[in-house]
Amino acid sequence: DAGVIQSPRHEVTEMGQEVTLRCKPISGHNSLFWYRQTMMRGLELLIYFNNNVPIDDSGMPEDRFSAKMPNASFSTLKIQPSEPRDSAVYFCASSFRGPGVNEQFFGPGTRLTVL
Amino acid sequence: AQTVTQSQPEMSVQEAETVTLSCTYDTSENNYYLFWYKQPPSRQMILVIRQEAYKQQNATENRFSVNFQKAAKSFSLKISDSQLGDTAMYFCAFMNDFGNEKLTFGTGTRLTIIP
Repeated sequence: DAGVIQSPRHEVTEMGQEVTLRCKPISGHNSLFWYRQTMMRGLELLIYFNNNVPIDDSGMPEDRFSAKMPNASFSTLKIQPSEPRDSAVYFCASSFRGPGVNEQFFGPGTRLTVL
Repeated sequence: AQTVTQSQPEMSVQEAETVTLSCTYDTSENNYYLFWYKQPPSRQMILVIRQEAYKQQNATENRFSVNFQKAAKSFSLKISDSQLGDTAMYFCAFMNDFGNEKLTFGTGTRLTIIP
């Protein structure tokens, strides 16, 4: 099992540029989550999908952020245009939603730096 | 909205000793799940232990155990026979049991095990 795969692991970009983060969930999982971790705000959920459908996007900060899940094995988080305050570690996680508690497995994260 | 509070930003303990990390939460729900995640310097988020609110018995995973006090809304983590590899950030997290899989995290406790 390869676990949740995220790319790139590190991204440095300049303010105003478009940034796309990618995630491949664990095969067979049907829920996918995007989290952001910063010193100021800690770990916060941005959006999550179940069966490729967005369920809760209340954490998406503003229109500059968008997320898609075109199929069960791929998701993207896009920031356009990027700003220095978007600098953070972005985690993707996946789980199998079934009866009872569902463990979320996290990817290694993407460290984004916006200059 | 649910909130999770970790009042100990940093803790340190000698190797082989026992340490307890505190977590309190606020919810009006009766059924929910609680988790402790570990984030070592590698940045990877790793599930340590979980507790279903409807279970009275405290969860245990090897050297890790919890003290779940539902009435007090308290969920502490005890690490016995601490090891150098336990050095990490520890996050307490909450999930409702009505279909939304969103995890709400505390601000974390940085635990250092001293050789």
